[in-house]
Amino acid sequence: EAVLTQSPATLSVSPGERATLSCRASQSVRNNLAWYQQNPGQAPRLLIYDASTRATGIPDRFSGSGSGTEFTLTISSLQSEDFAVYFCQHNEGWPWSFGQGTKVEF
Amino acid sequence: QVQLVESGGGVVQPGGSLRLSCAASGFTFSSSGFHWVRQAPGKGLEWVAFIRNDGSDEYYADSVKGRFTISRDDSMNTLDLQMSGLRPDDTALYYCVKDNPVCAHWGQGTLVTVTS
Repeated sequence: EAVLTQSPATLSVSPGERATLSCRASQSVRNNLAWYQQNPGQAPRLLIYDASTRATGIPDRFSGSGSGTEFTLTISSLQSEDFAVYFCQHNEGWPWSFGQGTKVEF
Repeated sequence: QVQLVESGGGVVQPGGSLRLSCAASGFTFSSSGFHWVRQAPGKGLEWVAFIRNDGSDEYYADSVKGRFTISRDDSMNTLDLQMSGLRPDDTALYYCVKDNPVCAHWGQGTLVTVTS
């Protein structure tokens, strides 16, 4: 089963800047990779699935790329509401698993 | 709109049992697969279990296999998680999650605390 490793653990950026988050899989998950955003005290929200498809209602400043073992979530211009924790998750075979998360802070 | 409301959480002693429920509305329940995902206090997300839309398959994380059972009642639009042999490391907020695509819609969670 694939293990996901996210980097960095914490990313310090300023509003308006670009943020690039990484997720590496221990074995190929093809394009079966999703990204979630979690704000404090809230449930996670699906951002991206199938590595690069934005979920319904997600702004186009969020984009996903990659396949196999290397994936990236890019936020093109950070808004105040984007300061949150981001998790990747694979759905290539059972059991599914999540990465440990990247906190994006100001 | 999709609504998922979890219940059944509480404080339980190690070795005890608890049954979580999730009441769903706003979509066709019988067409959807569901997950349980948990989050220990201050920690990341852990996928726990999945049941297919027709109930034909169930999948579990290794950490809960043999102790937890996921089930569904399409007549009541409810999803359950029967938990037994609870351990302190099962302490977490448990989320009910609707599939398609992946973990698309989340409830607000119900807190399970395992402590003596």
